[in-house]
Amino acid sequence: EAQVTQNPRYLITVTGKKLTVTCSQNMNHEYMSWYRQDPGLGLRQIYYSMNVEVTDKGDVPEGYKVSRKEKRNFPLILESPSPNQTSLYFCASSNWAAGYGYTFGSGTRLTVV
Amino acid sequence: DAKTTQPPSMDCAEGRAANLPCNHSTISGNEYVYWYRQIHSQGPQYIIHGLKNNETNEMASLIITEDRKSSTLILPHATLRDTAVYYCIVRVGLGNTGKLIFGQGTTLQVKP
Repeated sequence: EAQVTQNPRYLITVTGKKLTVTCSQNMNHEYMSWYRQDPGLGLRQIYYSMNVEVTDKGDVPEGYKVSRKEKRNFPLILESPSPNQTSLYFCASSNWAAGYGYTFGSGTRLTVV
Repeated sequence: DAKTTQPPSMDCAEGRAANLPCNHSTISGNEYVYWYRQIHSQGPQYIIHGLKNNETNEMASLIITEDRKSSTLILPHATLRDTAVYYCIVRVGLGNTGKLIFGQGTTLQVKP
């Protein structure tokens, strides 16, 4: 089944403890992206990648890192998480050339205490 | 990418057509109109997109005005499962950027 898989689905962590949220897609898509969603602020793009080793900042990149060493994986790294990074995170992938836009994962609910 | 304006909320009776409007008066010639929806806290789901012509797929129809300054997403026979937040997005397509900006969307409530 074609899908974007994020792990974990839920995560509670403490301030300053480095964490990684994994994202993997099985559709051979070139594009991948990370979003965060907060009440009243909607979905905001954190980073996106147009291909292996090509990444670019979205609207809210501060406090996050990404890497794209292989086509299928696009992990989101929080080097020193803070409570304001408590949010619902979505990974997405796309073959934009086909015109269909992003396919989203099921989300990761992160709480930083 | 051009900015879009959508009503914050709408109601629709089950079984009736739901017509969701979107204004994008600053759209430029190479920008596409995309529609997504998000049910509760699930990941957003692609619905349909178009450039100039009206489009239809198994989920919905997209009507774009001739001047392309507005569009309407039509769910022909709304069901309770169509209750969601619907996002209208304008972006340069196809494929030269991964940027996709969501606005606040329209919360559609389908009522029995």
